[in-house]
Amino acid sequence: SYELTQPLSVSVALGQTARITCGGNNIGRKNVHWYQQKPGQAPVLVIYRDSNRPSGIPERFSGSNSGNTATLTISRAQAGDEADYYCQVWDSSTSFGGGTKLTVL
Amino acid sequence: EVQLLESGGGLVQPGGSLRLSCAASGFTFSSYAMSWVRQAPGKGLEWVSGISGNGHSTYYADSVKGRFTISRDKSKNTLYLQMNSLRAEDTAVYYCAKDRGDSNWYFDYWGQGTLLTVSS
Repeated sequence: SYELTQPLSVSVALGQTARITCGGNNIGRKNVHWYQQKPGQAPVLVIYRDSNRPSGIPERFSGSNSGNTATLTISRAQAGDEADYYCQVWDSSTSFGGGTKLTVL
Repeated sequence: EVQLLESGGGLVQPGGSLRLSCAASGFTFSSYAMSWVRQAPGKGLEWVSGISGNGHSTYYADSVKGRFTISRDKSKNTLYLQMNSLRAEDTAVYYCAKDRGDSNWYFDYWGQGTLLTVSS
């Protein structure tokens, strides 16, 4: 299966910008999707196909994908953004990254 | 409103079998691929299996291939996961997830999950 690498944790000051990376071999050639999961809850799709936001997801959430790294960017971080974030791709089967815990300080 | 309601989880002994169900509503069930995704306690997400909208194509993670079978019943708007030869490492919350289309293989709606514990 296709391997995706995420940092275990990312910290961001309240109101600042958080960037969560997802590494994979030539990941820029694939569609990358991002999910937010808060404790005790099911995941929520926040970005699909690299940079598209589902309805209801704030504009503060954005994504990019190039080369060997995809990035989820959360602008003006809020306390409510604290969660685990997972990247995901399809490459003959579905692969998830290991997840990144975002802490808002 | 899209709703996905999983059921069937519980405590099973190693080597045992169990069938999970996911009742879907709020969308045209047969038009969308569906998947099962699991999460072991304190761990990340792991895709388990997927099925196309018409049920003709099925896909499995290597970790469950030959042991799990995914299926769907259009008349009941229900997704199933038959799990055989269960192992301790299958212990997880199992989520049912709706594809955003038919075989796009990313997921715009998730159920709340059902817990499977494999233990003697």
